[in-house]
Amino acid sequence: GPKVLQIPSHQIIDMGQMVTLNCDPVSNHLYFYWYKQILGQQMEFLVNFYNGKVMEKSKLFKDQFSVERPDGSYFTLKIQPTALEDSAVYFCASSLEGGQNTLYFGAGTRLSVL
Amino acid sequence: GDSVTQTEGLVTVTEGLPVKLNCTYQTTYLTIAFFWYVQYLNEAPQVLLKSSTDNKRTEHQGFHATLHKSSSSFHLQKSSAQLSDSALYYCALSRTNTGKLTFGDGTVLTVKP
Repeated sequence: GPKVLQIPSHQIIDMGQMVTLNCDPVSNHLYFYWYKQILGQQMEFLVNFYNGKVMEKSKLFKDQFSVERPDGSYFTLKIQPTALEDSAVYFCASSLEGGQNTLYFGAGTRLSVL
Repeated sequence: GDSVTQTEGLVTVTEGLPVKLNCTYQTTYLTIAFFWYVQYLNEAPQVLLKSSTDNKRTEHQGFHATLHKSSSSFHLQKSSAQLSDSALYYCALSRTNTGKLTFGDGTVLTVKP
């Protein structure tokens, strides 16, 4: 099936530094998402993105978070500055359409903030 | 807001026997879609089943589920579990025009010989 790639698979960073998580979505998809999963807890929606804009974001999407997809390249999640509670696995997803379309997920990036 | 409940965190079944993973939900929206995602170790979650039609059975790869709006359920079943079915299974709900999914906590299915 369609593949979403996430780079890197694991990132270790010191608290207060900036981190950028990269996602290469399915090539013809138009909608992009980030989900956060703390160890042992459920996957939780962070944000979705369409046509260069954030459409919806959750309470977890703090002011230190930002997303962009410049010129059709990677869809990125930037955290600046990072905090200890940002340690989690971040999953990227994409879909061809919005609504109730199927989301295709990457394998996740494990972020460890020390 | 919306919520999805998967009552079992861990299910263990013997190969060849039937398996059922429970999923119930709460939402105030009428137009909703449901998904089962499966995640194998160190891999991406991938869609297993999808349904938005009440009382219609959906099947894929030997698994089946029926959305029952009357009981707010979308249980996943298989008549004969295989060793390769061992994985983490998520039930998820989608109800907005933005594609946002609300996930349950997930159920780890272990199939033993």
